[in-house]
Amino acid sequence: KNEVEQSPQNLTAQEGEFITINCSYSVGISALHWLQQHPGGGIVSLFMLSSGKKKHGRLIATINIQEKHSSLHITASHPRDSAVYICAGITIFGNEKLTFGTGTRLTIIP
Amino acid sequence: EADIYQTPRYLVIGTGKKITLECSQTMGHDKMYWYQQDPGMELHLIHYSYGVNSTEKGDLSSESTVSRIRTEHFPLTLESARPSHTSQYLCASSVGSATNEKLFFGSGTQLSVL
Repeated sequence: KNEVEQSPQNLTAQEGEFITINCSYSVGISALHWLQQHPGGGIVSLFMLSSGKKKHGRLIATINIQEKHSSLHITASHPRDSAVYICAGITIFGNEKLTFGTGTRLTIIP
Repeated sequence: EADIYQTPRYLVIGTGKKITLECSQTMGHDKMYWYQQDPGMELHLIHYSYGVNSTEKGDLSSESTVSRIRTEHFPLTLESARPSHTSQYLCASSVGSATNEKLFFGSGTQLSVL
């Protein structure tokens, strides 16, 4: 069982809809990255969270340490938001390596 | 804008060949990583380095090797390519602490071994 679980695996929505992608993680993970991967493979770092909430433009990321859960929200979604969104947990044991979720494939239809 | 570069972008090669995937970053980051990603699957760490002359194997068993002679350069070498090595290879670097880290990824090398 992966230490980082994402849901849903696939999400299709209409342009303008509010999007939520969820990430649950196991004990031993101290912080999370949210990443965006476009077709062709390039990955962009969106947020790194160890507590609370961060906002950048139309993107909002939250983390609940007690519940070991993080969410990525996209407001006023746009077709250019179509990508795979990946959460990755930083382990507190050893050398702070990342454990990746399998990603959520988001498709925004015009 | 990413300042981490991978070459080649695509590589098709025959079984048994030796190949080197290049990764360079101009940001002066000490931490660098190589990940392997199959289609639709999660990234798996194959090698990492926390500075010059420091390299470690990751979680995924790999027949590759890496070197870190200079801060900016972290090449990955496969001594004898096999079809099972067909995958996407992503290089990354990071800066910051465990609670305030920023990650940067290269565009990846898509490797096909025939």
